[in-house]
Amino acid sequence: AQTVTQSQPEMSVQEAETVTLSCTYDTSESDYYLFWYKQPPSRQMILVIRQEAYKQQNATENRFSVNFQKAAKSFSLKISDSQLGDAAMYFCAYRRGLVGNNNDMRFGAGTRLTVKP
Amino acid sequence: ETGVTQTPRHLVMGMTNKKSLKCEQHLGHNAMYWYKQSAKKPLELMFVYSLEERVENNSVPSRFSPECPNSSHLFLHLHTLQPEDSALYLCASSRKTSGGANVLTFGAGSRLTVL
Repeated sequence: AQTVTQSQPEMSVQEAETVTLSCTYDTSESDYYLFWYKQPPSRQMILVIRQEAYKQQNATENRFSVNFQKAAKSFSLKISDSQLGDAAMYFCAYRRGLVGNNNDMRFGAGTRLTVKP
Repeated sequence: ETGVTQTPRHLVMGMTNKKSLKCEQHLGHNAMYWYKQSAKKPLELMFVYSLEERVENNSVPSRFSPECPNSSHLFLHLHTLQPEDSALYLCASSRKTSGGANVLTFGAGSRLTVL
């Protein structure tokens, strides 16, 4: 079974600084997708960034980028120029890419990010 | 709001009550999900309805009963719950495709407290 591990229950960063959130996963599949979701306090969970395992290039979305190390099964999220609005729970998620029943998205336990002004 | 609406946002119920959580999406998605979010634990997938097929996590107790009358609506019927069932219940939807790239859109969640 695929598992997703986020080893940092809590992280903090100074406003305008850079922070990296860690995520590792365990799978025997070669085709899969990885995601980072953000859940602000009392608000909906939204997608931050997505990475296809077959792509070697790391995904980027404005101030958010990932460091995808397929051999190490590592998928960290880097937030540059942190803003107060980045404070949230961040969840790493995995979904296999097989055709057919691929609805089982696996999530980590989350990392709570605090941004200090 | 991102297109997936959950009601009620907060629910307090006794162990003998029967209540239901409702989820509605108008995104044209054809798959809907219930997740349970407990503190310091990974999100737990409870049920999936995809193209009228139901997939469930076998570890979910029978006191949780889903219903999906159409592709836009999803319910979670609650009966004889236990205090450990207190959690945030998240509904999500997606467009089912042949690959794993489809992104989930989540609702804001229903915070359930069982006394």
